[in-house]
Amino acid sequence: EVQLLESGGGLAQPGGSLRLSCTASGFIFSNFAMSWVRQRPGRGLESVSVISSSGGTTNYVDSVRGRFTISRDNSKNTLYLQMTRLRSEDAAVYFCAKGSRSIVGATTIEDWGQGTQVAISS
Amino acid sequence: DIVMTQTSLSSPVTLGQPASISCRSSHSLVHSDRNTYLTWLHQRPGQPPRPLIYKIFYRFTGVPDRFTGGGAGTDFTLKISRVEPEDVGVYYCMQGTEFPYTFGQGTKLEV
Repeated sequence: EVQLLESGGGLAQPGGSLRLSCTASGFIFSNFAMSWVRQRPGRGLESVSVISSSGGTTNYVDSVRGRFTISRDNSKNTLYLQMTRLRSEDAAVYFCAKGSRSIVGATTIEDWGQGTQVAISS
Repeated sequence: DIVMTQTSLSSPVTLGQPASISCRSSHSLVHSDRNTYLTWLHQRPGQPPRPLIYKIFYRFTGVPDRFTGGGAGTDFTLKISRVEPEDVGVYYCMQGTEFPYTFGQGTKLEV
């Protein structure tokens, strides 16, 4: 059974930083591209970033490019999202999600974590 | 970015009756590999989204056969043949054909 467990969420100040982690189990982590998807309060879903299985290719939605960095450690079966220069509009539940392929690009998101809450306040 | 637009349901839906949700994309979702990366998801309050249907009409393991996906190109439909109490929640369509992957605004099903 695929399990994705996010951690690292919490309260940050505007302009501050947070690092989210997602520990994966139940599948060969190094074979699949992974994504971060967020859901802002009372709003729908938004894909934030994606990383290929090797970590060599990444992509970001325009609103976070230059502020967020996605990475992975295949030896630890862990996905990361380093968030810097946080804004109020970054407040959301952040989900870790497993893709159906190894590459960045066309994919089906097959599995979702439970999510971790990020709040932004001074 | 590809914009995904969903229709609203006539609420509430009667248990045991069918329901249908439509989703339209601003661009064709047919990828150069000839697959169409259209997924339907179901979300209950406080829960993560649960994938139901992928590539238009394939059910994920464990999804009841009362859920059927259809459509092509830019127009897609999720049909529930007989609504059960556990089907309440919000349904989203999602395109994974190109990044950023985008989602419909959600359709709330109430009984």
